[in-house]
Amino acid sequence: DAGVIQSPRHEVTEMGQEVTLRCKPISGHNSLFWYRQTMMRGLELLIYFNNNVPIDDSGMPEDRFSAKMPNASFSTLKIQPSEPRDSAVYFCASRSRKWGWGHTEAFFGQGTRLTVV
Amino acid sequence: AQSVSQHNHHVILSEAASLELGCNYSYGGTVNLFWYVQYPGQHLQLLLKYFSGDPLVKGIKGFEAEFIKSKFSFNLRKPSVQWSDTAEYFCAVNGPNDYKLSFGAGTTVTVRA
Repeated sequence: DAGVIQSPRHEVTEMGQEVTLRCKPISGHNSLFWYRQTMMRGLELLIYFNNNVPIDDSGMPEDRFSAKMPNASFSTLKIQPSEPRDSAVYFCASRSRKWGWGHTEAFFGQGTRLTVV
Repeated sequence: AQSVSQHNHHVILSEAASLELGCNYSYGGTVNLFWYVQYPGQHLQLLLKYFSGDPLVKGIKGFEAEFIKSKFSFNLRKPSVQWSDTAEYFCAVNGPNDYKLSFGAGTTVTVRA
């Protein structure tokens, strides 16, 4: 398996523009997480899905952020409009769950480094 | 709710020194525990994990961690570090029936050659 695949790896955009980050989880994994990492705030959980359903989006900073998972093999994180303070590295991670056993570890993608100027 | 506390924000040590990073969690039930490493400019990678059984867990690159249930701790150790161990280390925890994986704030480790 190629692992968790994120695109793009780098994104530079102007303030006010819409940004869409993409993630393809590992095949067979039924949980997907979006994290944001900055020097100031560290690693923050934005939202997570289980079986394509958003379970908890309490970490999404504001309404400008939205995430979707239309099917088991694809998720997007959208920022509209983007602001300079959104500059960060955004990670997607996936894992599987086995009933009565717990979860596997989470596998992380390479991240998308977003710069909003 | 789960929470994870990593005691050290930044650790600086010399090559061949021993390393121990503290991790404490708050959770009332059975837990799954993880240590991840993030090398500069890279993504998080799993170092080791604990689900059940022997509380002393061996991981990759000579790392190990000990789960002490009575202390709610899962400390990471390495007897002799190398310059290449310079990285940020994250402890993470979840209960077996929880969807959410909670991470600590991370500890930056700098190894001087």
